[in-house]
Amino acid sequence: NAGVMQNPRHLVRRRGQEARLRCSPMKGHSHVYWYRQLPEEGLKFMVYLQKENIIDESGMPKERFSAEFPKEGPSILRIQQVVRGDSAAYFCASSPKSGTITYEQYFGPGTRLTVT
Amino acid sequence: KNEVEQSPQNLTAQEGEFITINCSYSVGISALHWLQQHPGGGIVSLFMLSSGKKKHGRLIATINIQEKHSSLHITASHPRDSAVYICAVRSGTDKLIFGTGTRLQVFP
Repeated sequence: NAGVMQNPRHLVRRRGQEARLRCSPMKGHSHVYWYRQLPEEGLKFMVYLQKENIIDESGMPKERFSAEFPKEGPSILRIQQVVRGDSAAYFCASSPKSGTITYEQYFGPGTRLTVT
Repeated sequence: KNEVEQSPQNLTAQEGEFITINCSYSVGISALHWLQQHPGGGIVSLFMLSSGKKKHGRLIATINIQEKHSSLHITASHPRDSAVYICAVRSGTDKLIFGTGTRLQVFP
Protein backbone atom coordinates (compact mmCIF):
# COMPACT_ATOMS: atom_id res chain seq x y z
CA ASN A 1 0.00 0.00 0.00
CA ALA A 2 1.73 3.12 -1.22
CA GLY A 3 1.86 6.07 1.16
CA VAL A 4 0.56 9.55 0.53
CA MET A 5 2.04 10.89 -2.70
CA GLN A 6 2.68 14.52 -3.47
CA ASN A 7 3.98 16.01 -6.66
CA PRO A 8 5.93 17.80 -7.63
CA ARG A 9 8.38 17.56 -4.73
CA HIS A 10 9.95 20.87 -5.70
CA LEU A 11 8.30 23.64 -7.69
CA VAL A 12 9.76 26.94 -8.79
CA ARG A 13 7.46 29.67 -10.01
CA ARG A 14 7.99 33.30 -10.95
CA ARG A 15 5.86 35.94 -9.30
CA GLY A 16 2.45 36.11 -10.94
CA GLN A 17 2.42 32.52 -12.19
CA GLU A 18 0.11 29.77 -11.01
CA ALA A 19 1.17 26.86 -8.82
CA ARG A 20 -0.67 23.53 -8.76
CA LEU A 21 0.20 21.08 -6.04
CA ARG A 22 -1.13 17.52 -6.16
CA CYS A 23 -1.82 15.07 -3.39
CA SER A 24 -2.82 11.44 -3.87
CA PRO A 25 -4.07 10.00 -0.59
CA MET A 26 -3.39 6.50 0.60
CA LYS A 27 -5.59 3.84 -0.92
CA GLY A 28 -8.94 3.76 0.80
CA HIS A 29 -8.58 7.22 2.33
CA SER A 30 -11.33 9.68 1.49
CA HIS A 31 -10.20 12.63 3.65
CA VAL A 32 -7.38 15.01 2.79
CA TYR A 33 -5.85 17.83 4.81
CA TRP A 34 -3.46 20.50 3.51
CA TYR A 35 -0.92 22.19 5.79
CA ARG A 36 1.66 24.90 5.11
CA GLN A 37 5.04 25.40 6.71
CA LEU A 38 6.53 28.83 6.09
CA PRO A 39 10.34 29.16 6.40
CA GLU A 40 11.42 29.03 10.04
CA GLU A 41 7.79 28.79 11.17
CA GLY A 42 5.52 26.06 12.42
CA LEU A 43 2.95 24.12 10.47
CA LYS A 44 -0.46 25.67 9.94
CA PHE A 45 -3.72 24.11 8.84
CA MET A 46 -5.09 25.29 5.51
CA VAL A 47 -8.04 23.17 4.36
CA TYR A 48 -9.78 19.86 5.00
CA LEU A 49 -11.56 18.09 2.17
CA GLN A 50 -13.61 15.01 1.63
CA LYS A 51 -14.28 13.68 -1.87
CA GLU A 52 -16.13 16.46 -3.77
CA ASN A 53 -16.65 18.44 -0.58
CA ILE A 54 -14.78 21.10 1.42
CA ILE A 55 -15.26 20.41 5.13
CA ASP A 56 -13.18 23.23 6.64
CA GLU A 57 -11.31 25.97 4.80
CA SER A 58 -10.79 28.25 7.78
CA GLY A 59 -7.01 28.29 7.27
CA MET A 60 -7.05 29.23 3.60
CA PRO A 61 -6.02 32.75 2.62
CA LYS A 62 -9.08 34.59 1.32
CA GLU A 63 -7.64 35.29 -2.11
CA ARG A 64 -5.65 33.37 -4.73
CA PHE A 65 -5.84 29.99 -2.95
CA SER A 66 -8.28 27.21 -3.75
CA ALA A 67 -8.47 23.47 -3.18
CA GLU A 68 -10.44 20.61 -4.56
CA PHE A 69 -10.70 16.86 -4.13
CA PRO A 70 -12.64 15.44 -7.07
CA LYS A 71 -14.40 12.10 -7.15
CA GLU A 72 -11.60 10.74 -9.33
CA GLY A 73 -7.96 11.80 -9.15
CA PRO A 74 -5.77 13.62 -6.67
CA SER A 75 -6.54 16.57 -4.47
CA ILE A 76 -5.25 19.83 -5.94
CA LEU A 77 -4.11 22.93 -4.08
CA ARG A 78 -4.03 25.83 -6.51
CA ILE A 79 -2.30 29.14 -5.90
CA GLN A 80 -2.93 31.85 -8.45
CA GLN A 81 -0.62 34.81 -9.07
CA VAL A 82 2.00 33.58 -6.63
CA VAL A 83 3.99 36.04 -4.54
CA ARG A 84 7.30 35.57 -2.70
CA GLY A 85 5.43 35.11 0.58
CA ASP A 86 3.87 31.91 -0.81
CA SER A 87 7.29 30.22 -0.72
CA ALA A 88 6.86 27.39 1.75
CA ALA A 89 6.59 23.65 2.17
CA TYR A 90 3.07 22.38 1.56
CA PHE A 91 2.16 19.07 3.14
CA CYS A 92 -0.92 17.02 2.67
CA ALA A 93 -2.16 14.27 4.93
CA SER A 94 -4.89 11.70 4.48
CA SER A 95 -7.07 9.60 6.71
CA PRO A 96 -9.81 7.04 6.24
CA LYS A 97 -12.04 8.75 8.80
CA SER A 98 -15.59 7.60 9.15
CA GLY A 99 -18.14 7.94 11.91
CA THR A 100 -16.91 9.23 15.25
CA ILE A 101 -13.62 7.32 15.35
CA THR A 102 -10.49 9.46 15.16
CA TYR A 103 -8.05 7.92 12.70
CA GLU A 104 -4.36 8.60 12.21
CA GLN A 105 -3.39 11.22 9.63
CA TYR A 106 -0.62 10.07 7.28
CA PHE A 107 1.60 12.75 5.81
CA GLY A 108 3.01 13.05 2.32
CA PRO A 109 6.62 14.11 1.67
CA GLY A 110 5.62 17.69 0.92
CA THR A 111 6.00 20.07 -2.02
CA ARG A 112 8.56 22.80 -1.60
CA LEU A 113 7.41 25.87 -3.49
CA THR A 114 9.90 28.59 -4.29
CA VAL A 115 8.68 31.85 -5.81
CA THR A 116 11.37 33.90 -7.54
CA LYS B 1 -1.10 32.87 23.41
CA ASN B 2 -0.72 29.82 21.17
CA GLU B 3 -3.26 27.05 21.56
CA VAL B 4 -0.43 24.51 21.69
CA GLU B 5 2.75 25.31 23.59
CA GLN B 6 5.89 23.19 23.57
CA SER B 7 8.98 23.32 25.72
CA PRO B 8 11.84 23.52 25.42
CA GLN B 9 12.25 25.14 21.99
CA ASN B 10 15.79 23.81 21.66
CA LEU B 11 17.41 20.87 23.39
CA THR B 12 20.89 19.44 23.23
CA ALA B 13 21.89 16.15 24.80
CA GLN B 14 24.73 13.69 24.98
CA GLU B 15 24.22 10.26 23.51
CA GLY B 16 22.55 8.00 26.06
CA GLU B 17 20.71 10.72 27.96
CA PHE B 18 17.02 10.55 28.84
CA ILE B 19 15.07 13.30 27.07
CA THR B 20 11.68 14.84 27.84
CA ILE B 21 9.71 17.24 25.65
CA ASN B 22 6.56 18.83 27.03
CA CYS B 23 3.36 19.98 25.36
CA SER B 24 0.44 21.94 26.84
CA TYR B 25 -2.75 22.82 25.04
CA SER B 26 -5.73 25.03 25.78
CA VAL B 27 -8.46 23.67 23.46
CA GLY B 28 -10.72 20.66 23.54
CA ILE B 29 -9.19 17.79 21.62
CA SER B 30 -10.11 14.39 20.25
CA ALA B 31 -6.47 13.23 20.08
CA LEU B 32 -2.89 14.42 20.37
CA HIS B 33 -0.07 13.59 17.97
CA TRP B 34 3.67 13.58 18.31
CA LEU B 35 5.43 14.09 14.99
CA GLN B 36 9.07 14.00 13.91
CA GLN B 37 10.60 16.11 11.15
CA HIS B 38 14.19 15.93 9.94
CA PRO B 39 15.71 19.10 8.36
CA GLY B 40 14.32 19.54 4.87
CA GLY B 41 12.45 16.32 5.29
CA GLY B 42 8.99 14.96 5.58
CA ILE B 43 6.84 14.45 8.64
CA VAL B 44 6.59 11.14 10.41
CA SER B 45 3.86 10.42 12.91
CA LEU B 46 5.30 8.89 16.06
CA PHE B 47 2.19 8.60 18.22
CA MET B 48 -1.50 9.40 18.27
CA LEU B 49 -3.03 9.19 21.71
CA SER B 50 -6.17 10.30 23.51
CA SER B 51 -5.45 8.90 26.99
CA GLY B 52 -2.79 7.21 29.06
CA LYS B 53 0.54 6.15 27.68
CA LYS B 54 2.03 4.58 24.56
CA LYS B 55 5.47 3.10 23.97
CA HIS B 56 7.31 2.32 20.77
CA GLY B 57 10.90 1.21 21.07
CA ARG B 58 12.81 3.92 22.95
CA LEU B 59 9.97 6.41 22.66
CA ILE B 60 7.24 6.89 25.24
CA ALA B 61 4.32 9.33 25.03
CA THR B 62 1.96 10.20 27.85
CA ILE B 63 -1.09 12.41 28.06
CA ASN B 64 -3.04 13.85 31.00
CA ILE B 65 -6.42 14.98 29.67
CA GLN B 66 -7.45 16.76 32.90
CA GLU B 67 -4.26 18.83 32.97
CA LYS B 68 -4.17 19.26 29.15
CA HIS B 69 -0.57 18.16 29.06
CA SER B 70 1.49 15.58 27.19
CA SER B 71 5.11 14.50 27.31
CA LEU B 72 7.36 12.71 24.85
CA HIS B 73 10.28 10.80 26.35
CA ILE B 74 13.27 9.36 24.55
CA THR B 75 15.31 6.82 26.48
CA ALA B 76 18.97 6.14 25.66
CA SER B 77 19.08 8.96 23.10
CA HIS B 78 21.15 8.53 19.94
CA PRO B 79 22.48 11.03 17.36
CA ARG B 80 19.96 9.69 14.84
CA ASP B 81 17.20 11.01 17.14
CA SER B 82 18.29 14.54 16.19
CA ALA B 83 15.25 16.16 14.58
CA VAL B 84 12.40 18.54 15.27
CA TYR B 85 9.65 17.05 17.41
CA ILE B 86 6.21 18.55 16.98
CA CYS B 87 3.17 18.24 19.20
CA ALA B 88 -0.18 18.61 17.43
CA VAL B 89 -3.76 18.34 18.66
CA ARG B 90 -6.89 17.26 16.78
CA SER B 91 -9.59 19.81 17.36
CA GLY B 92 -12.76 21.20 15.84
CA THR B 93 -13.36 19.64 12.44
CA ASP B 94 -10.51 17.19 13.01
CA LYS B 95 -7.81 19.55 11.75
CA LEU B 96 -4.41 19.56 13.45
CA ILE B 97 -3.19 22.54 15.49
CA PHE B 98 0.59 22.43 15.83
CA GLY B 99 3.06 23.50 18.44
CA THR B 100 6.15 25.36 17.26
CA GLY B 101 8.34 22.30 17.64
CA THR B 102 11.36 21.32 19.73
CA ARG B 103 14.69 21.12 17.95
CA LEU B 104 16.70 18.25 19.43
CA GLN B 105 20.39 17.66 18.83
CA VAL B 106 22.05 14.58 20.29
CA PHE B 107 25.84 14.56 20.25
CA PRO B 108 27.95 11.41 20.31
